Amino acid sequence: GQNIDQPTEMTATEGAIVQINCTYQTSGFNGLFWYQQHAGEAPTFLSYNVLDGLEEKGRFSSFLSRSKGYSYLLLKELQMKDSASYLCAVMDSNYQLIWGAGTKLIIKP
Amino acid sequence: IAGITQAPTSQILAAGRRMTLRCTQDMRHNAMYWYRQDLGLGLRLIHYSNTAGTTGKGEVPDGYSVSRANTDDFPLTLASAVPSQTSVYFCASSTGTGNTGELFFGEGSRLTVL
Repeated sequence: GQNIDQPTEMTATEGAIVQINCTYQTSGFNGLFWYQQHAGEAPTFLSYNVLDGLEEKGRFSSFLSRSKGYSYLLLKELQMKDSASYLCAVMDSNYQLIWGAGTKLIIKP
Repeated sequence: IAGITQAPTSQILAAGRRMTLRCTQDMRHNAMYWYRQDLGLGLRLIHYSNTAGTTGKGEVPDGYSVSRANTDDFPLTLASAVPSQTSVYFCASSTGTGNTGELFFGEGSRLTVL
């Protein structure tokens, strides 16, 4: 079966750096996505990786290793507004998105 | 403001009742989707439509139906609601072309079936 694994919850300190990991086993691979979802709100797109390596976008970076079935989202200079759930999703061979359950990130002052 | 509008935002429904969740987008996106989100689970695809006039079943389609009469509207109907359909429902759209696959989500409809 298809599976996306990510930690349920993480805690970090304002101003620090946090890395949220995602491992996947899917039928084929056509890209990996990270979305941010604040409590009670809709998910919003953060990043897309289809080739191995690091994609940097401001304070957020996303890394992909296709051979290891692994990705991480790196958040730098954490701000209180970064408190949210972070959803990892993989597009399979049928171009359908398979979603992880999300990682709830709690930022403490 | 361009985007996706869902209605209602919240609804309490008696089991056995029929319910339609509405979804409208003004971005002229080809593809539209309905997901449900439950605590501890990832988003699960209910139904999708790659273009107006076509629909397809997702991972959890039982008990739900959709239609896509035009590009903008993609309503989701529960013919006879059951308590297990208590969830938050998100409508989403994408351009439907290429692999970027970025989804744009509505604000969600919180449905409680008693």
